[in-house]
Amino acid sequence: QKEVEQNSGPLSVPEGAIASLNCTYSDRGSQSFFWYRQYSGKSPELIMSIYSNGDKEDGRFTAQLNKASQYVSLLIRDSQPSDSATYLCAVNERWDTGRRALTFGSGTRLQVQP
Amino acid sequence: DGGITQSPKYLFRKEGQNVTLSCEQNLNHDAMYWYRQDPGQGLRLIYYSQIVNDFQKGDIAEGYSVSREKKESFPLTVTSAQKNPTAFYLCASSRGPGQSHEQYFGPGTRLTVT
Repeated sequence: QKEVEQNSGPLSVPEGAIASLNCTYSDRGSQSFFWYRQYSGKSPELIMSIYSNGDKEDGRFTAQLNKASQYVSLLIRDSQPSDSATYLCAVNERWDTGRRALTFGSGTRLQVQP
Repeated sequence: DGGITQSPKYLFRKEGQNVTLSCEQNLNHDAMYWYRQDPGQGLRLIYYSQIVNDFQKGDIAEGYSVSREKKESFPLTVTSAQKNPTAFYLCASSRGPGQSHEQYFGPGTRLTVT
């Protein structure tokens, strides 16, 4: 059974701090992992993708993947109030039908306090 | 300017009426998807299409129908058989159905049925 778990939050951090968002998944065969940012009332925006164990950095964002422990995380350095949003983790998992499709977590709401 | 467009942004319908949501992309992507998002929840897959004239059911296809007559277009019809149609509907596309392909979202259509 496919499952992607995230803490719903809210995660509150002060401006300038590091925000750490975590996600666990159930399918050991998953190879593709994505983080989306969704502002209230808007559609999700892809901000990071990661396919290999380790860290991947893009500006203030770092995605971390540990396939052995089946978790993926997103670090946001120097958090800004504009980073306040819901962050969705998505994992390409094998469904009961045998096909692979993205499974989304329910999201973690991040609040950056000025 | 490449992207995904969805129309309308807001849609209001009376119970018992069918309604069609539009999704168009000019990214030359092969795969297209329809998701539904309810407040505080993650995205649930309704239907997806990997190529023209072919589509597959997702997790929650009951009460919905789709067509894929052109590569650029993937309209979704919400029928009167859908018990709880009020939701935020998101269309997405990707280069292909493979597990490494990132999905990009349109702006969404917010449907309210009373």
